[in-house]
Amino acid sequence: DQQVKQNSPSLSVQEGRISILNCDYTNSMFDYFLWYKKYPAEGPTFLISISSIKDKNEDGRFTVFLNKSAKHLSLHIVPSQPGDSAVYFCAAGPGTYKYIFGTGTRLKVLA
Amino acid sequence: EAGVAQSPRYKIIEKRQSVAFWCNPISGHATLYWYQQILGQGPKLLIQFQNNGVVDDSQLPKDRFSAERLKGVDSTLKIQPAKLEDSAVYLCASSPGLAGYNEQFFGPGTRLTVL
Repeated sequence: DQQVKQNSPSLSVQEGRISILNCDYTNSMFDYFLWYKKYPAEGPTFLISISSIKDKNEDGRFTVFLNKSAKHLSLHIVPSQPGDSAVYFCAAGPGTYKYIFGTGTRLKVLA
Repeated sequence: EAGVAQSPRYKIIEKRQSVAFWCNPISGHATLYWYQQILGQGPKLLIQFQNNGVVDDSQLPKDRFSAERLKGVDSTLKIQPAKLEDSAVYLCASSPGLAGYNEQFFGPGTRLTVL
């Protein structure tokens, strides 16, 4: 049973436009959420996080939105750049170390 | 600041052979994690150490996998004997403390192929 789902395996966006990556979770005990970016042959790198007491967190071009009632979060990248092309993982957990990762979405930003 | 180091980067073995992976976390990080990432899936936690003690190994297949973190610094993960389904990238990560509100810093991973 997958507790964290990223239903879009891939996404292509034109440079300068908005990229929206989605993530759904099933466990209502999850209250901390993270996004990681992964380039080929490298480990995931932390991008942005959000706790359940917020519905939005912003860091430069990256914004994460959390809809607790829908158990849904999304990552917005504006404007998208070719260097953003990578696999993006969302992860969720109950505020402890044990995060469950989604299967990832491969983003391709077209120049 | 040096990142998480892992070796080897790639390993190819025959099934039923043994293999070991090494991880050196970021200096001063108390918590160390080993993840298994099978192709097309997200990372799955195998084991977590706090200093040199095991916090969680509930998803570690203990009949064939073992891990240790001697002296609370670097760590080794061993598979003995390997099966075909163990083919995956093994990621090591570290974080400053136990609390979940810390990002985890990942190493580059070891890609294991079992033939």
